[in-house]
Amino acid sequence: GAVVSQHPSWVICKSGTSVKIECRSLDFQATTMFWYRQFPKQSLMLMATSNEGSKATYEQGVEKDKFLINHASLTLSTLTVTSAHPEDSSFYICSATLPTSTDTQYFGPGTRLTVL
Amino acid sequence: AQSVSQHNHHVILSEAASLELGCNYSYGGTVNLFWYVQYPGQHLQLLLKYFSGDPLVKGIKGFEAEFIKSKFSFNLRKPSVQWSDTAEYFCAVLHYGQNFVFGPGTRLSVLP
Repeated sequence: GAVVSQHPSWVICKSGTSVKIECRSLDFQATTMFWYRQFPKQSLMLMATSNEGSKATYEQGVEKDKFLINHASLTLSTLTVTSAHPEDSSFYICSATLPTSTDTQYFGPGTRLTVL
Repeated sequence: AQSVSQHNHHVILSEAASLELGCNYSYGGTVNLFWYVQYPGQHLQLLLKYFSGDPLVKGIKGFEAEFIKSKFSFNLRKPSVQWSDTAEYFCAVLHYGQNFVFGPGTRLSVLP
């Protein structure tokens, strides 16, 4: 149980375009989802916390207008990278917690974004 | 702010060797501690976690970790590694009321 999926797994886009990444909890309802960014050979950096039905909470230094997060249902959160630039190229990972056990996160497989 | 350090960036071992990966965190108080593993091409998976009680916790695949509060440490151990243990290992700390903080990761390469 507690499976989280992401789509797409890999995306290449031109500079200036927008890219949407989906995060789904497949076998449970996730009231809270998290979005992380992982640079090569570095750890995960939390970007934002997404709560179903409310606005996401962004970490300091993360541009909310650039990284749009929507958590419209209990099984789906989306991250849209708007007007992407090469420096946005990274590995984006989402995670979700069970409603009954918010101390443990279950991670998606990640999405590799390459902006040309 | 909480920070998490891991002692080694890359560890290379032969099969059957013993493993210990270090993890230290900076902030005291009540914390929950985790070790996650990321196998090549796969997503992060929970190895084990410590919330309270016995400071020696056992996880999946023969891994265990010991919480030493006085040293702010939560080291991961395995008595005999296998080639299939080759992966990236992340220590993470959850302080009450705050978000997860991950360590930089340790890459383990096990030679057959």
